[in-house]
Amino acid sequence: GAVVSQHPSRVICKSGTSVKIECRSLDFQATTMFWYRQFPKQSLMLMATSNEGSKATYEQGVEKDKFLINHASLTLSTLTVTSAHPEDSSFYICSAVLTTYTQYFGPGTRLTVL
Amino acid sequence: AQSVAQPEDQVNVAEGNPLTVKCTYSVSGNPYLFWYVQYPNRGLQFLLKYITGDNLVKGSYGFEAEFNKSQTSFHLKKPSALVSDSALYFCAVRDMVNTDKLIFGTGTRLQVFP
Repeated sequence: GAVVSQHPSRVICKSGTSVKIECRSLDFQATTMFWYRQFPKQSLMLMATSNEGSKATYEQGVEKDKFLINHASLTLSTLTVTSAHPEDSSFYICSAVLTTYTQYFGPGTRLTVL
Repeated sequence: AQSVAQPEDQVNVAEGNPLTVKCTYSVSGNPYLFWYVQYPNRGLQFLLKYITGDNLVKGSYGFEAEFNKSQTSFHLKKPSALVSDSALYFCAVRDMVNTDKLIFGTGTRLQVFP
């Protein structure tokens, strides 16, 4: 149990285009999901908290107009990187809260912006 | 401020030997502590957590961790390392303000040599 999926696993796009990444909890409902960004050989940086039915809460320094988050249902949150640029290239990971205090992570999405 | 420290960037151990990956924390109040493992190009997998009770916590894949309040530590251990244990390990503590959020350490790369 407690499986979280992400789609796509890998995406390459041109600079200036937008990319949508999906995060799904497959066998449980998640009121809260998180989006992280991970740079090579570094820890996870929390970008935002996604709450079903309400606006996402962004961490300091994260541009909410650039990283659009939608949590339309209890099993799906999406992250859209708008007008992507090479510096947005990164590994994006989502997680979903199943029980109190325990997050389950998706496999990650590797974004490369050319 | 709340924080988690993983003092070792990398730990090398021979297969069959015991392994220890260190973690210390700084929080006010009672800490909720977690260990996650990340394999290359994958998301994080939950290993174990300490919330309350026995200081020795047993988790997945034969790993265990010992909570030591006086030393503010939560070191991850395994009696006999496997080559397949080679991965990136993250220690995390629950955010005391937003209790669904996790504060991650910088990660420790474990390399198990045959």
